[in-house]
Amino acid sequence: SQTIHQWPATLVQPVGSPLSLECTVEGTSNPNLYWYRQAAGRGLQLLFYSVGIGQISSEVPQNLSASRPQDRQFILSSKKLLLSDSGFYLCAWSVRAGSEQFFGPGTRLTVL
Amino acid sequence: KQEVTQIPAALSVPEGENLVLNCSFTDSAIYNLQWFRQDPGKGLTSLLLIQSSQREQTSGRLNASLDKSSGRSTLYIAASQPGDSATYLCAVSHAKAAGNKLTFGGGTRVLVKP
Repeated sequence: SQTIHQWPATLVQPVGSPLSLECTVEGTSNPNLYWYRQAAGRGLQLLFYSVGIGQISSEVPQNLSASRPQDRQFILSSKKLLLSDSGFYLCAWSVRAGSEQFFGPGTRLTVL
Repeated sequence: KQEVTQIPAALSVPEGENLVLNCSFTDSAIYNLQWFRQDPGKGLTSLLLIQSSQREQTSGRLNASLDKSSGRSTLYIAASQPGDSATYLCAVSHAKAAGNKLTFGGGTRVLVKP
């Protein structure tokens, strides 16, 4: 069966520090991968998606970036965090475009 | 631009009562609609996926209907239990959106009282 992992589970970082969140999927190959952010009062917002290794599409302008160095690994990064980057970050995968999406357990990021 | 709305934002019912959760979307050109459950501080659990060609989908006590032309979906949960307390989210993917991007509603927070 397929599983999706995210780490760390929680993170507290100072403003201006770098960020690296990791997401990995097991039990499938060539999945579509997604990064979402859930911020208080703003609902779930798609940040990035990837249909293959090295293929990243950005949905909103921001100081975050994403990379997909391996087929089942998706990384969310920032060089300098802002207060507004605080939120709950969720990774998701699907078999292909149009199929059901499955979410990971999330990472709670607090920027102080 | 697709907009998804869920009303009410919060709902409280006694145990055993049926739950009715509403979701509406502005652009009927959807590819599919998905209902999720989210417990506090946790990720999303997929409940049901309805393809645009389907009218309803059922799983156990859950039944979701879809009326694409009117831009509505309803999630029914029969005989609610305290364990059903959670936030329920609906999300739609656009027929022409690359990567099956989902647009989410704001969610309905449900409390089932024992």
